[in-house]
Amino acid sequence: SQQGEEDPQALSIQEGENATMNCSYKTSINNLQWYRQNSGRGLVHLILIRSNEREKHSGRLRVTLDTSKKSSSLLITASRAADTASYFCATGPQVMDSSYKLIFGSGTRLLVRP
Amino acid sequence: NAGVTQTPKFQVLKTGQSMTLQCAQDMNHEYMSWYRQDPGMGLRLIHYSVGAGITDQGEVPNGYNVSRSTTEDFPLRLLSAAPSQTSVYFCASSYSGGGYGYTFGSGTRLTVV
Repeated sequence: SQQGEEDPQALSIQEGENATMNCSYKTSINNLQWYRQNSGRGLVHLILIRSNEREKHSGRLRVTLDTSKKSSSLLITASRAADTASYFCATGPQVMDSSYKLIFGSGTRLLVRP
Repeated sequence: NAGVTQTPKFQVLKTGQSMTLQCAQDMNHEYMSWYRQDPGMGLRLIHYSVGAGITDQGEVPNGYNVSRSTTEDFPLRLLSAAPSQTSVYFCASSYSGGGYGYTFGSGTRLTVV
């Protein structure tokens, strides 16, 4: 079964609005990552947050991590039509697991209307 | 810098045929993985490798085989193709040690008829 589950599955907003996507996971992690996938393309790494971090920023992206609730959120501020894509969270290796098995959630489809 | 290169981009196979999906990276990444993505779904891990000569199974390894003889290449072999293996396949690589994002290839769209 997949480790991460995103919520909502689909999100439609107006250009300029903020978009918030949530991710929940089941087991202990070393880090959590967010990726973007434009239709028919490969995934692009957006941001990584380690288990000992609570918040991280990158440009218009803000990621939070709550390890006690096993959840993360991705906020995209001042959205643009070009942000239309699917967004996936992925969890890094479990604590004490020396292998690197990045496990993905099912994704949130974001539509930003011009 | 080419990144992660996957070939072919498209492939149609008949049930029972075998083939190899190629993946090469030029970033000296130790970690490499193969994922499959089915319509409307996330990615599922097939096999992964933490270095040359070391491979292990992911979530959905059945029907697939991998080897890692060099740091650069990580081919995925379909032993006897089945319609259930119709999917988009992605190869990805990363630096070792955790804490690094993966770089993905552009994918191979495989149809098994």
